[in-house]
Amino acid sequence: EPEVTQTPSHQVTQMGQEVILRCVPISNHLYFYWYRQILGQKVEFLVSFYNNEISEKSEIFDDQFSVERPDGSNFTLKIRSTKLEDSAMYFCASQPGTSTGELFFGEGSRLTVL
Amino acid sequence: SQKIEQNSEALNIQEGKTATLTCNYTNYSPAYLQWYRQDPGRGPVFLLLIRENEKEKRKERLKVTFDTTLKQSLFHITASQPADSATYLCALERSGGYQKVTFGIGTKLQVIP
Repeated sequence: EPEVTQTPSHQVTQMGQEVILRCVPISNHLYFYWYRQILGQKVEFLVSFYNNEISEKSEIFDDQFSVERPDGSNFTLKIRSTKLEDSAMYFCASQPGTSTGELFFGEGSRLTVL
Repeated sequence: SQKIEQNSEALNIQEGKTATLTCNYTNYSPAYLQWYRQDPGRGPVFLLLIRENEKEKRKERLKVTFDTTLKQSLFHITASQPADSATYLCALERSGGYQKVTFGIGTKLQVIP
């Protein structure tokens, strides 16, 4: 069964360092998302991406964050200068081009900022 | 502001009984309401979706109801099993398609053998 894959599964970084989280969405999906979940808290929307551009972003997704779909298969989230409060699980999700609403999530990348 | 409320306290239930989880929302007009399962350290997994014009949806041992007047959804697992133990997330999507899906904090279900 097709699945969303994310790498790395766990990354530890120093505060102020840049981090890139990678996702390979399901191949025929058209809509892509990043969510994050701080330990013990809810899954929070960061950004949605369609047709090679951001379609919506939350107030969390400030200038330190960026997304890219560089080669038609990968979908990346970059955090330019990490802060302690960026420590969280980051989930990539995708949707097919039909209005089912169902999100297909990856297993997540755990980011720890020291 | 928009709010999705789920009972954040854990729900403990005896194996074989029906588990009922509640999702209430305010200041929201969702087109779809979804339920996901999340195991510790894993990504959410989609279970069921119900549209605003549907009252009830079933899938195997799962049943979801959606009352747009009460702004509430109930999620039932019948004949619960220890393997059903997980956190269950309610999620709302606005009308217009492909909008962001907003999640509640989830309710942790523990099914006791």
